[in-house]
Amino acid sequence: DAGITQSPRHKVTETGTPVTLRCHQTENHRYMYWYRQDPGHGLRLIHYSYGVKDTDKGEVSDGYSVSRSKTEDFLLTLESATSSQTSVYFCAISEPLETGSSYNEQFFGPGTRLTVL
Amino acid sequence: GQQVMQIPQYQHVQEGEDFTTYCNSSTTLSNIQWYKQRPGGHPVFLIQLVKSGEVKKQKRLTFQFGEAKKNSSLHITATQTTDVGTYFCAGLESNYQLIWGAGTKLIIKP
Repeated sequence: DAGITQSPRHKVTETGTPVTLRCHQTENHRYMYWYRQDPGHGLRLIHYSYGVKDTDKGEVSDGYSVSRSKTEDFLLTLESATSSQTSVYFCAISEPLETGSSYNEQFFGPGTRLTVL
Repeated sequence: GQQVMQIPQYQHVQEGEDFTTYCNSSTTLSNIQWYKQRPGGHPVFLIQLVKSGEVKKQKRLTFQFGEAKKNSSLHITATQTTDVGTYFCAGLESNYQLIWGAGTKLIIKP
């Protein structure tokens, strides 16, 4: 498996509280992604990054913000969590920087299960 | 926007039977990728198809990309218990974004 870790792996929080999820990679890949996975919806892209400080919105970005200050770290923040944000969150990476590969398969982290009460 | 529809949502098969999942896109895809997610796990890349009409095989798995590059299928011959999981297709959009199908969950009946 690619060197991708996510923290925390599980979190229970209350409505209205801020939450930050962290994705860390040791693979030096340019692209990083945050997805949420809900039954019947597959994977939906929240935000992605194509470099340090370069980010863009995905299809379900409302209520989420991201930051990438280093190649290896991509943070997802829920400013004020809501019950509809209860989900499993996956981080993914693609495109190794060294080779400039155009083979854009994505490698996934283990996921964070977030419950908002 | 681009959508990728995947059917069926679930498929129950007896061990040894075949399994097929289908993906259809509303627009032409530059390529399509397939992933497998084991229960409780994360998606793992299986294969990428790029060319119109392309067929690729991995042991008992056969992947096809339609001539119009708007549909794809994954066929598993003689399923085994190790095949259990959810299979996703994902079409590549611009800026390295993948548009994901909802997945087909393969359940093997004892």
